[in-house]
Amino acid sequence: DTAVSQTPKYLVTQMGNDKSIKCEQNLGHDTMYWYKQDSKKFLKIMFSYNNKELIINETVPNRFSPKSPDKAHLNLHINSLELGDSAVYFCASSLGSWVGNTEAFFGQGTRLTVV
Amino acid sequence: DQQVKQNSPSLSVQEGRISILNCDYTNSMFDYFLWYKKYPAEGPTFLISISSIKDKNEDGRFTVFLNKSAKHLSLHIVPSQPGDSAVYFCAASHKKTSYDKVIFGPGTSLSVIP
Repeated sequence: DTAVSQTPKYLVTQMGNDKSIKCEQNLGHDTMYWYKQDSKKFLKIMFSYNNKELIINETVPNRFSPKSPDKAHLNLHINSLELGDSAVYFCASSLGSWVGNTEAFFGQGTRLTVV
Repeated sequence: DQQVKQNSPSLSVQEGRISILNCDYTNSMFDYFLWYKKYPAEGPTFLISISSIKDKNEDGRFTVFLNKSAKHLSLHIVPSQPGDSAVYFCAASHKKTSYDKVIFGPGTSLSVIP
């Protein structure tokens, strides 16, 4: 039983395409996140949702649009993909906001390659 | 701006010896620090954390030390085991309005040599 699962694991697509990455958690958590690991290996937060409500929206191009149909799912849709979008995208979830002692669980990551 | 820094991209240690992974931060508002461990093709997993009101937290072979005046923390693994070979991310959080934002460093790749 995978706690936080992302699909697909690998995604290769051409510039200009629109793609989605799906994330589901079966932990009963109410907060979910998207992180991007760039070429320099930094994990940078992109979005956070709590009970389907957007609570963190970092400086991310508006080509990126998260969608949370329910608190167990947080999908990431990317329009007009660019070469610089190539990265590993991680979904995570936590119970409540990620307050110090609250552990967040990560998915295995989606490696997006834009060619 | 890199608020959390891990200046050593990699570290090699002999099995049974101590591994010391270092992390520096710039934001004095951080009130909680975490270490996450990541194996290839997997997501990061939580390892250990420390509150800014403490200077040490221990969990089995893992100990985290916090030096607030130096804005420095370190993770000690003793004794190191080959299964500890992974990338270790230092992360920090602070309350901002009604939510926390966790900021990660770039990670240190630890290799424990049998």
